[in-house]
Amino acid sequence: EVQLVESGGGLVQPGGSVRLSCAASGFTFSTSWMSWIRQAPGKGLEWVANIYPDGSHQYYVDSLRGRFTISRDNAKNSLFLQMDSLRAEDTAVYYCSRDRQGSRYYDVEYWGQGTLVTVSS
Amino acid sequence: QSVLTQPPSASGTPGQRVTISCSGSSSNIGTNSVNWYQQLPGTAPKLLIYNHNQRPSGVPDRFSGSKSGTSASLAIGGLQSEDEADYYCAAWDDSLNGHFVFGTGTKVTVL
Repeated sequence: EVQLVESGGGLVQPGGSVRLSCAASGFTFSTSWMSWIRQAPGKGLEWVANIYPDGSHQYYVDSLRGRFTISRDNAKNSLFLQMDSLRAEDTAVYYCSRDRQGSRYYDVEYWGQGTLVTVSS
Repeated sequence: QSVLTQPPSASGTPGQRVTISCSGSSSNIGTNSVNWYQQLPGTAPKLLIYNHNQRPSGVPDRFSGSKSGTSASLAIGGLQSEDEADYYCAAWDDSLNGHFVFGTGTKVTVL
């Protein structure tokens, strides 16, 4: 059974940083594309970033490039999201996902339960 | 800002058929596969339809997807009370170095 468990969320001050983690199990992590997706309270879904299976390449939504960094540790079956210079509008539930990728094909197949990040003073 | 546009709401009575549209462009739906996600209240989203019209194991066949040009649709046949949820379309977008995009979301209400 695929399991994705996010951690690291909580209350952080504007301008601060936080590192989210996602522990993966039940599938071959080292061959899987992975993403972070967020959802602000009462709002829709926003894809944040994804990362190649070997960690060599990442894609980001343009609006967050430079402040957020996605990374992974395949030896520990873990995905990370480093979030810097946080703003109130970054307040959201952050989901980790396992994805599938092919020619002209991409989907977010499995989702974690999410971790809430609240940016407030 | 999402580049996939959905109606904010849709509704129907039990047993009715409801259709949700998703309008995109040549850089996303026009070129790449379309997926649909269901988000029940208070839960994480779940993959409902992938690759335009494929259902993951366990998804009832009353959910169906289609695509035409730069638009896609999700149909829910035989609407049930447990279908009341938010629905999102999504696709890879080849513009701006490449990124994944979700639709604006549609709230389905069972009357």
